[in-house]
Amino acid sequence: DAGITQSPRYKITETGRQVTLMCHQTWSHSYMFWYRQDLGHGLRLIYYSAAADITDKGEVPDGYVVSRSKTENFPLTLESATRSQTSVYFCASSDSSGNTIYFGEGSWLTVV
Amino acid sequence: AQSVTQLGSHVSVSEGALVLLRCNYSSSVPPYLFWYVQYPNQGLQLLLKYTTGATLVKGINGFEAEFKKSETSFHLTKPSAHMSDAAEYFCAVSAVGRRALTFGSGTRLQVQP
Repeated sequence: DAGITQSPRYKITETGRQVTLMCHQTWSHSYMFWYRQDLGHGLRLIYYSAAADITDKGEVPDGYVVSRSKTENFPLTLESATRSQTSVYFCASSDSSGNTIYFGEGSWLTVV
Repeated sequence: AQSVTQLGSHVSVSEGALVLLRCNYSSSVPPYLFWYVQYPNQGLQLLLKYTTGATLVKGINGFEAEFKKSETSFHLTKPSAHMSDAAEYFCAVSAVGRRALTFGSGTRLQVQP
């Protein structure tokens, strides 16, 4: 029961570099989400997807790009990383009912 | 629009004492309400949820929460704290028909021996 996995778990990158965080789920959930967690802000929604090839912006989408060519994968790309994007990123998924959202273990990203 | 307010960013209790973590929400449509727990360097684990039906919801690890529509609250309680309860707790809301969660800023629970 792999569930939802994120990679890499830890990443240090330089300002201006492109970084992609991967998310894979084995449940065939239709909905997938990307959140970032910052001290004092809780978790904020970056992007979400209702199905393959359907994505939409969340609360803090600027500087991020997502795609969803396959139901099980939902990569998040920082096209040109900035220090303000240093954060912990959580991927999540849920079925169409939305009754329960399951979270991955997080990706710690540091931009120097 | 939805929002969640968690009163108290840090709560400290003695082992064996009552745990009360406060959560108030706003939502223009009937809400789904959730409590998640996060242990250090880990992801979020669902403690309990309210979707419909009984307003007193029981979760894992002895926690429960009561949905009070008139007070727009969903406070989390546990009768007797254990050292292993020390963690960060997040209240979250989603609206019926909207899948994404809106989170509160979290409450760090410290349990003193």
